[in-house]
Amino acid sequence: GESVGLHLPTLSVQEGDNSIINCAYSNSASDYFIWYKQESGKGPQFIIDIRSNMDKRQGQRVTVLLNKTVKHLSLQIAATQPGDSAVYFCAEISAWGKLIFGQGTELSVKP
Amino acid sequence: EAGVTQSPTHLIKTRGQQATLRCSPISGHTSVYWYQQALGLGLQFLLWYDEGEERNRGNFPPRFSGRQFPNYSSELNVNALELEDSALYLCASSLGQGYNEKLFFGSGTQLSVL
Repeated sequence: GESVGLHLPTLSVQEGDNSIINCAYSNSASDYFIWYKQESGKGPQFIIDIRSNMDKRQGQRVTVLLNKTVKHLSLQIAATQPGDSAVYFCAEISAWGKLIFGQGTELSVKP
Repeated sequence: EAGVTQSPTHLIKTRGQQATLRCSPISGHTSVYWYQQALGLGLQFLLWYDEGEERNRGNFPPRFSGRQFPNYSSELNVNALELEDSALYLCASSLGQGYNEKLFFGSGTQLSVL
């Protein structure tokens, strides 16, 4: 079946370091991916998206990399700040209107 | 501009009761999605409504149902509540112009079934 999984459930980094959150997906037909950030008590917040015709997309302090060969997605956060502490989800749209989320990676930023 | 709003924020029910959760999408958005997020787990797709019609449904029993109103707001109903229905229920909206769209989420309704 379809699934989107994350390699690590938790990630702890020092403030100022770069963070890399990984995600594996199983449906090779997926053509659109989104990273969301969820802070405690809030709904998921859109961070960045990428379509399958791209390998890389950059935003403000964030970069998403897509490797379709190995069905792997990563989110890189530059100069991680305490405000980046949250759970990060990758999600794929593999069927019309069905956004599939992974379990999430909890990022903890140490001051 | 107001984001996606959900009510109530918290809801406490007992087994066997019915729960009604409400969602107002972002102005101009016609698609509404419902997700269930159990503690420590990811988001499980429940329902998708667009232009007043149910477009897709996740792997949930029929006691999970909903509807979308002419103003595009939506309601999620859960009948015959079970303990395992305790979760954060998230509503999201999108422009509804096709698939591969960004979803914008509300803060959710925390449902507790005792």
